[in-house]
Amino acid sequence: EDQVTQSPEALRLQEGESSSLNCSYTVSGLRGLFWYRQDPGKGPEFLFTLYSAGEEKEKERLKATLTKKESFLHITAPKPEDSATYLCAVQAGGNNRLAFGKGNQVVVIP
Amino acid sequence: DGGITQSPKYLFRKEGQNVTLSCEQNLNHDAMYWYRQDPGQGLRLIYYSQIVNDFQKGDIAEGYSVSREKKESFPLTVTSAQKNPTAFYLCASSDSLAKNIQYFGAGTRLSVL
Repeated sequence: EDQVTQSPEALRLQEGESSSLNCSYTVSGLRGLFWYRQDPGKGPEFLFTLYSAGEEKEKERLKATLTKKESFLHITAPKPEDSATYLCAVQAGGNNRLAFGKGNQVVVIP
Repeated sequence: DGGITQSPKYLFRKEGQNVTLSCEQNLNHDAMYWYRQDPGQGLRLIYYSQIVNDFQKGDIAEGYSVSREKKESFPLTVTSAQKNPTAFYLCASSDSLAKNIQYFGAGTRLSVL
């Protein structure tokens, strides 16, 4: 069974205080790892997809990296508008299903 | 605008009642998915469909049913057999030929009266 574990569950940051979120996974035949942002009461918004170890993607203050066992989402100099829950999901095997972690809830304090 | 539309935004179910959640997409995606989200939990897959007139059970299909008669539409029925239906329901779609990134609707919040 595919396993996706995200840590920490919750994180409070001062504005400008950089940090990293972790997503560790145990799957057979990783086909892709996905990061989403979810605001309260809304659907997840796609951020990045990573396909192979060593790959990196960036978008504004966010940077996602991938190794053979885990992915990190680095938040550089966060602003209050970066407050959200960040979801990690993996796709493996021969179907299109995603297995999601429970998310990292981030609060950025002005 | 292209996207995924879920309706209604809020839904209330009475004891013993079946309710249907709507999901429509105009992205021309072939695959569609239904997830359930409970507080503090990740998304759990209920049903998914990779082509019209075909669908598969996900991890928590008991008490739910779906149909896929049109490419654009994938309604979810929460039946009276689902004893704990209160949750946030999310619909997604993806193009399996283009990186298979799943895009989500805004969700339907279902509560029991």
